[in-house]
Amino acid sequence: RKEVEQDPGPFNVPEGATVAFNCTYSNSASQSFFWYRQDCRKEPKLLMSVYSSGNEDGRFTAQLNRASQYISLLIRDSKLSDSATYLCVVNSGAPSGSARQLTFGSGTQLTVLP
Amino acid sequence: GAVVSQHPSRVICKSGTSVKIECRSLDFQATTMFWYRQFPKQSLMLMATSNEGSKATYEQGVEKDKFLINHASLTLSTLTVTSAHPEDSSFYICSASPELAHGYTFGSGTRLTVV
Repeated sequence: RKEVEQDPGPFNVPEGATVAFNCTYSNSASQSFFWYRQDCRKEPKLLMSVYSSGNEDGRFTAQLNRASQYISLLIRDSKLSDSATYLCVVNSGAPSGSARQLTFGSGTQLTVLP
Repeated sequence: GAVVSQHPSRVICKSGTSVKIECRSLDFQATTMFWYRQFPKQSLMLMATSNEGSKATYEQGVEKDKFLINHASLTLSTLTVTSAHPEDSSFYICSASPELAHGYTFGSGTRLTVV
């Protein structure tokens, strides 16, 4: 089983739609969680951190369920510019010569259509 | 905000040659930097953790003699792909974080093509 699993998509949605991405992680000791956005042939950029209480940033809402080891990202009123690959990222804190280590999901591809 | 600069952004080299990629933290000190590789349509895979002043830690399956990492200062880590082969062609990205509680910032990546 992969450490971080995401539905690869692709998700093709019309402008203005609401779309939700899910992610599960296997390491119950994981400490922190993030959603990153990656545009084609570019580096990932932090979209938002995910907190246990849930957090919202404009049209984006992230939720964390530690009991189910599940993270979600909700995008409301989607825009053409939201088209990208969304990466679920988990900090496992696993030893690898460092106190922290990020594990990336394989990403969910979103295309917002006009 | 934290900025990580990576250079070069794109390089084409001949098979058998070596390529050096630089990763700099511009406005913070990074005792640890991470090097990732991403093949087309795949996720980022951690290759190694670069530790300032000590040896890098490599992930399983990554050859340390092929991917040389040097982290000589608190703001610079370099990855050298030695004796590159076409199968080494990939997108290489570094990352670092100014504070452990925050997400990581990525360099803009280096697209390596070995011909």
